[in-house]
Amino acid sequence: VQLVESGGGLVKPGGSLRLSCAASGFSGFSFSDYFMIWIRQAPGEGLEWVSHMTDSGSGLYYADSVKGRFTISRDNAKNSLYLQMNSLRAEDTAIYYCARVGRFPYNYAMDVWGRGATVTVSS
Amino acid sequence: EIVLTQSPGTLSLSPGERATLSCRASQSFTNGFLAWYQQKPGQAPRILIYDASSRAPGIPDRFSGSGSGTDFTLTISRLEPEDFAVYYCQQYGSSSYTFGQGTKLEIK
Repeated sequence: VQLVESGGGLVKPGGSLRLSCAASGFSGFSFSDYFMIWIRQAPGEGLEWVSHMTDSGSGLYYADSVKGRFTISRDNAKNSLYLQMNSLRAEDTAIYYCARVGRFPYNYAMDVWGRGATVTVSS
Repeated sequence: EIVLTQSPGTLSLSPGERATLSCRASQSFTNGFLAWYQQKPGQAPRILIYDASSRAPGIPDRFSGSGSGTDFTLTISRLEPEDFAVYYCQQYGSSSYTFGQGTKLEIK
């Protein structure tokens, strides 16, 4: 099982960026059977939940720090997860990890993680 | 929102010793959805424990989790050199996730 993030980079404050996460190697269950999540880690800091969505895409959830600025989406036909980030701020600078939310019995724990995409917001 | 507080912030031990890491929640959560992750420098986190006490596949049995309500513990029975890393607890509830701030386990 592999998750590969892309789309990170340097962007000016107020700018936009779209992260992608390509999933492969899911066995037994498919990508469309899993909740997916974005988690970020600012330089030298701990982990912070950003957003997650249900398997069907009907449920979208956001941390207060990104609500109204970030949009999570998925394309189950392409086995891909996305994070559209608008109105970026310096405090959004972080490594952004895509992760799979495990099915039972993992109960909302993240059992597979990507290597992360680096987002730097600076003028 | 439930706040998770991990202690100590840094733990200095030697290989072969026992490590006890604490994660305390600001309020009790009865669903038991607490997980522990290990993160090494330059790497993504990896899951160790889910549902407070279940070891993830491939995790050595020297790692164990316990606790309920507001107090949870990750124990490493005999430290190996590869265990020195940062450890995070995480909970899920009310459609949101929270993480503890992490405990750095360093070689003494």
